[in-house]
Amino acid sequence: NAGVMQNPRHLVRRRGQEARLRCSPMKGHSHVYWYRQLPEEGLKFMVYLQKENIIDESGMPKERFSAEFPKEGPSILRIQQVVRGDSAAYFCASSPQDRAGNEQYFGPGTRLTVT
Amino acid sequence: EDKVVQSPLSLVVHEGDTVTLNCSYEVTNFRSLLWYKQEKKAPTFLFMLTSSGIEKKSGRLSSILDKKELFSILNITATQTGDSAVYLCAVEWYGGSQGNLIFGKGTKLSVKP
Repeated sequence: NAGVMQNPRHLVRRRGQEARLRCSPMKGHSHVYWYRQLPEEGLKFMVYLQKENIIDESGMPKERFSAEFPKEGPSILRIQQVVRGDSAAYFCASSPQDRAGNEQYFGPGTRLTVT
Repeated sequence: EDKVVQSPLSLVVHEGDTVTLNCSYEVTNFRSLLWYKQEKKAPTFLFMLTSSGIEKKSGRLSSILDKKELFSILNITATQTGDSAVYLCAVEWYGGSQGNLIFGKGTKLSVKP
């Protein structure tokens, strides 16, 4: 059973471009969480999704950021018109049911660098 | 504002030493506290604590929660170089959706041979 997969692992974008980060949850998991880790900072919750639904997006910036988890395919975190401050590691986690904590399994992260 | 504070931010020890990592929190509607170990990649789960005073152990690692004083400690005995990592503390709360964890900044532990 493969773990949570994220791609790309590293992404470089120029200011103003779009970044698309993908997360494939573990098999059988229908809940996905996105976190952002800025340099020297802890992980910060961004958004929680179930298949085709956004459950909680309270941690996601109101502008330029969006997330989806379609019925088929991976969850996607999309950042439009990236700025230097978006440079960070973005982690995705998945869980098999509506439970956080020890049933959240993390992916390896995508490191976004905005030049 | 809800927050989770870890101390120290970094720590350097020698193999065989015992270390204690601290995590204090101010979170409304506390549900549980979790410890993760983050090496170069994804955080891996260590412990989940919900009740005060009950120690959880896994090998050389142990952790305990004090809900009255709002803190938790993570102990590592007989440290090894493989324990070098960032240790993250996170709090789960009822106010937001389940899964909305509030993380501390982490303690970077370096174990020298």
